[in-house]
Amino acid sequence: AQSVTQPDIHITVSEGASLELRCNYSYGATPYLFWYVQSPGQGLQLLLKYFSGDTLVQGIKGFEAEFKRSQSSFNLRKPSVHWSDAAEYFCAVALPTSGTYKYIFGTGTRLKVLA
Amino acid sequence: SQTIHQWPATLVQPVGSPLSLECTVEGTSNPNLYWYRQAAGRGLQLLFYSVGIGQISSEVPQNLSASRPQDRQFILSSKKLLLSDSGFYLCAWSVRAGLGYTFGSGTRLTVV
Repeated sequence: AQSVTQPDIHITVSEGASLELRCNYSYGATPYLFWYVQSPGQGLQLLLKYFSGDTLVQGIKGFEAEFKRSQSSFNLRKPSVHWSDAAEYFCAVALPTSGTYKYIFGTGTRLKVLA
Repeated sequence: SQTIHQWPATLVQPVGSPLSLECTVEGTSNPNLYWYRQAAGRGLQLLFYSVGIGQISSEVPQNLSASRPQDRQFILSSKKLLLSDSGFYLCAWSVRAGLGYTFGSGTRLTVV
């Protein structure tokens, strides 16, 4: 069955440090992949997406992600974390279904940023 | 530009009471519409999606139902709430092709 795994439930980094959030997916075909960010009590905001082409994709807020087919991974990175990046991050894969796509989400990684 | 509205933002309901959550989209036509539920520590679970008026697909058998009475309106309902229905409910829309969701701001439902 298709699935998305985010192995880190919580991550704590110091402000200014680099960040990598892991995401692994299980899907037989070429995946459409997404990273979303959620601030407490809010909806989800799209950070970036991968459909095809260049495997390194740039997103908003200085985030980037790299698609590695051989590792079935789509890890999110940021070279220098800001305190405002503290939030929960969700990786998702879009699966084709009747007339649309449904998203399978990982369980999320909660990021804490130390001043 | 397109916007999506969800209300109410928070709701506290007793067990056994009915539920109606509404989601509307502005600035687009024929959107695909979705209801997700987010339970603590469990990520987001797709509940229902709709590709047109009156067309509802259910992903998970449960105590909830969905309806789409108008093109840009999507309603999540229950006749009798259970404690397990508590959670954060998110509505989303996408263009017809379905790739690229835009989420609403969510409704926090607490069943007591």
